[in-house]
Amino acid sequence: AQSVTQLDSQVPVFEEAPVELRCNYSSSVSVYLFWYVQYPNQGLQLLLKYLSGSTLVESINGFEAEFNKSQTSFHLRKPSVHISDTAEYFCAVSSSGGSYIPTFGRGTSLIVHP
Amino acid sequence: GAVVSQHPSRVICKSGTSVKIECRSLDFQATTMFWYRQFPKQSLMLMATSNEGSKATYEQGVEKDKFLINHASLTLSTLTVTSAHPEDSSFYICSASAGHMGEQFFGPGTRLTVL
Repeated sequence: AQSVTQLDSQVPVFEEAPVELRCNYSSSVSVYLFWYVQYPNQGLQLLLKYLSGSTLVESINGFEAEFNKSQTSFHLRKPSVHISDTAEYFCAVSSSGGSYIPTFGRGTSLIVHP
Repeated sequence: GAVVSQHPSRVICKSGTSVKIECRSLDFQATTMFWYRQFPKQSLMLMATSNEGSKATYEQGVEKDKFLINHASLTLSTLTVTSAHPEDSSFYICSASAGHMGEQFFGPGTRLTVL
């Protein structure tokens, strides 16, 4: 079985400050990891993903996440946030043990204040 | 990237009526489609997984006779909420997968309100 834990339900931060959204997973087999972003009343959009290769993955809008196998983590970071980054962020994990059907974390609400 | 559409985006209906929600993958063939339900300020709850041409696999606790899923083609899946009641009011989101290690492409969601 696989599971995902997003420890923070809400992360308030000021504009231009750095932010880290935490994600830990558990799985007994190799995993594939995803971060999705959801803006109000919209579906989810893929932000970035780790499938294989470099453990540091980046998105086009400045977010990055690092796959850390020893700590079973895939934390999302951004060095300087914008007001427009305010949204709900979901971490997800899939694996061959789960037939590649992803399991989602409960989500972290990022609130960027001016 | 891949685009998934959902229709309608918002629907209000009377209690006891049935509502159909369509989910389409516009520029790729989806081997698998998923239906989720999302309550306010909560994560996604997987309702069912459907593969084209076969019966949907429902998650535990989801009534298959109430939430009818049809996956008629590689680009279209429908969810019908039968005899809807106010407690069925929710945000329903579909997603489609082309088999890439669990990566999913999400539709914009449908807000269902049952009066």
